[in-house]
Amino acid sequence: GENVEQHPSTLSVQEGDSAVIKCTYSDSASNYFPWYKQELGKRPQLIIDIRSNVGEKKDQRIAVTLNKTAKHFSLHITETQPEDSAVYFCAASPPAGSYQLTFGKGTKLSVIP
Amino acid sequence: SQTIHQWPATLVQPVGSPLSLECTVEGTSNPNLYWYRQAAGRGLQLLFYSVGIGQISSEVPQNLSASRPQDRQFILSSKKLLLSDSGFYLCAWSPKIETQYFGPGTRLLVL
Repeated sequence: GENVEQHPSTLSVQEGDSAVIKCTYSDSASNYFPWYKQELGKRPQLIIDIRSNVGEKKDQRIAVTLNKTAKHFSLHITETQPEDSAVYFCAASPPAGSYQLTFGKGTKLSVIP
Repeated sequence: SQTIHQWPATLVQPVGSPLSLECTVEGTSNPNLYWYRQAAGRGLQLLFYSVGIGQISSEVPQNLSASRPQDRQFILSSKKLLLSDSGFYLCAWSPKIETQYFGPGTRLLVL
């Protein structure tokens, strides 16, 4: 089955700096890659996603890039703010029809004011 | 718009007691439904998923079970809770595409 590795497990940045979280996946047939943000005690919330026919997608301060050849994708957050502090999960969807997501283990991002 | 509800929000139960957690979705029909467990400070473990009424797939063998008695209702149960069942239980729904949306969760503490 699909295996998703996520790095780093913790990340601390100064407010205003950029943060990058990287994930690799094992199944070359995976074609959908969402990112979720989970604030302390809350539910994971979808913040951005990308499909395998696109190399990059941006939404204001966040962007996701996908390298299908290398089987890795990354989340980029620019001009970080304290409210960006949370745990971020990447995920990959295996071949069409299963509608399951395989999640990474998460990255705890701390933005230091 | 679609909304997903879970209850109870928090639950404290003794070891060996039964469990019933409920999840309902509004504003959609025939969704895929999922139960996840998240231990403190850990990742998301898929427990069960369902693509339709009465159709349940189990991902992890354990003392939990799931049922889907109605199209938009998903129930997680146990006959006898273990200490290791403590955690944050999240229900999620999907509109037959890959994207999943999570409910507010139930925090379960087994003592």
